[in-house]
Amino acid sequence: DTGVSQNPRHKITKRGQNVTFRCDPISEHNRLYWYRQTLGQGPEFLTYFQNEAQLEKSRLLSDRFSAERPKGSFSTLEIQRTEQGDSAMYLCASSSGGGRNTIYFGEGSWLTVV
Amino acid sequence: AQTVTQSQPEMSVQEAETVTLSCTYDTSESDYYLFWYKQPPSRQMILVIRQEAYKQQNATENRFSVNFQKAAKSFSLKISDSQLGDAAMYFCAYRGNSGNTPLVFGKGTRLSVIA
Repeated sequence: DTGVSQNPRHKITKRGQNVTFRCDPISEHNRLYWYRQTLGQGPEFLTYFQNEAQLEKSRLLSDRFSAERPKGSFSTLEIQRTEQGDSAMYLCASSSGGGRNTIYFGEGSWLTVV
Repeated sequence: AQTVTQSQPEMSVQEAETVTLSCTYDTSESDYYLFWYKQPPSRQMILVIRQEAYKQQNATENRFSVNFQKAAKSFSLKISDSQLGDAAMYFCAYRGNSGNTPLVFGKGTRLSVIA
């Protein structure tokens, strides 16, 4: 069990550029979540996968955001035409089920849009 | 929609003393789970303690315990014998038991531990 891994840990990009973050969940965890966290706030839910199926998307996930989990293992979160308001930490998490099952978080990917 | 409120943006405690962090939530569900997560500076978020709503007994994990008041929709965290390593952001979180509900977080409480 190597934990949830996220890459890159930090990304600085110019406004208008595209960025992609990768998340490798804990092995055999079928559920994968993306959250966004800004300074002084709690994490806000973006989207959720069960295996390769994207089952839920928050209204926070605008058309510029797309997430995939092609083989039910790793996931990518792409932000197109970045805006300064996208600056945040993007957290990935995974779990082996719902309800009381522990959701394990990665260390996050910090995005700064300049 | 479920909401979680943490009314204390910052708290401080002397080393070895006890501190209580407050959390209230709003839900129309009867079956759900409540969690406290700890996020140290520049470190990943880790689970501190969880409570099943159907259990009346308050959860305890070593120095961490909760006071769960279901009727009042209150879920406070008590840290006993505070240690320097307890300094972190603490987030209260709610998760329903129906289908695919994600974790809903409060805004967090920053805890400082004074030596």
